Amino acid sequence: ETGVTQSPTHLIKTRGQQVTLRCSSQSGHNTVSWYQQALGQGPQFIFQYYREEENGRGNFPPRFSGLQFPNYSSELNVNALELDDSALYLCASSSGTSGSTLAKNIQYFGAGTRLSVL
Amino acid sequence: GQQLNQSPQSMFIQEGEDVSMNCTSSSIFNTWLWYKQDPGEGPVLLIALYKAGELTSNGRLTAQFGITRKDSFLNISASIPSDVGIYFCAGQLGNQGGKLIFGQGTELSVKP
Repeated sequence: ETGVTQSPTHLIKTRGQQVTLRCSSQSGHNTVSWYQQALGQGPQFIFQYYREEENGRGNFPPRFSGLQFPNYSSELNVNALELDDSALYLCASSSGTSGSTLAKNIQYFGAGTRLSVL
Repeated sequence: GQQLNQSPQSMFIQEGEDVSMNCTSSSIFNTWLWYKQDPGEGPVLLIALYKAGELTSNGRLTAQFGITRKDSFLNISASIPSDVGIYFCAGQLGNQGGKLIFGQGTELSVKP
């Protein structure tokens, strides 16, 4: 158990809809990263939040957005869903960011939210 | 998206055999990580490597951070059925906010 919890576990949406996924970070962690994992692939970095600010973004369009709250939990929002957005969405928490000691940047993952877009 | 080159893609072995998988990159990383993912779960950290040339063990698992900082390998000795799963390597650059770049994964099957 990593202490990182994600909700919901599964979700079915239709094309064009909007979705919000939630993540509670491990106690003591102030950084949350989001990844998209397509079937049969490794996770792809979407973005990271550190102390409520976006701190790095991968190659994802602006309809992927996020938030981090004062308690360091986080949300991933996806607008105008497309069929290709169907994937496992993973949240990872860590206790540092760029400039921290490398050990603090170790990311611990939740079990993910499986999103299906029909 | 950017991914590391991980091989082999899959392995079918007999219980008790040793296993080796590796990962290469065109980029230099400050940290190499190895994760295992079971069906319906997120990746679980197995080993973290912080220094070029570092060799680290975790029980039957041994991993090394390549001298060039562009590669890493993971060995599993005396495999058991619960080793079944997908193993991912990941590289991390300390100056990019901790973003992880993952390999495509190695799917391991162990026959009792």
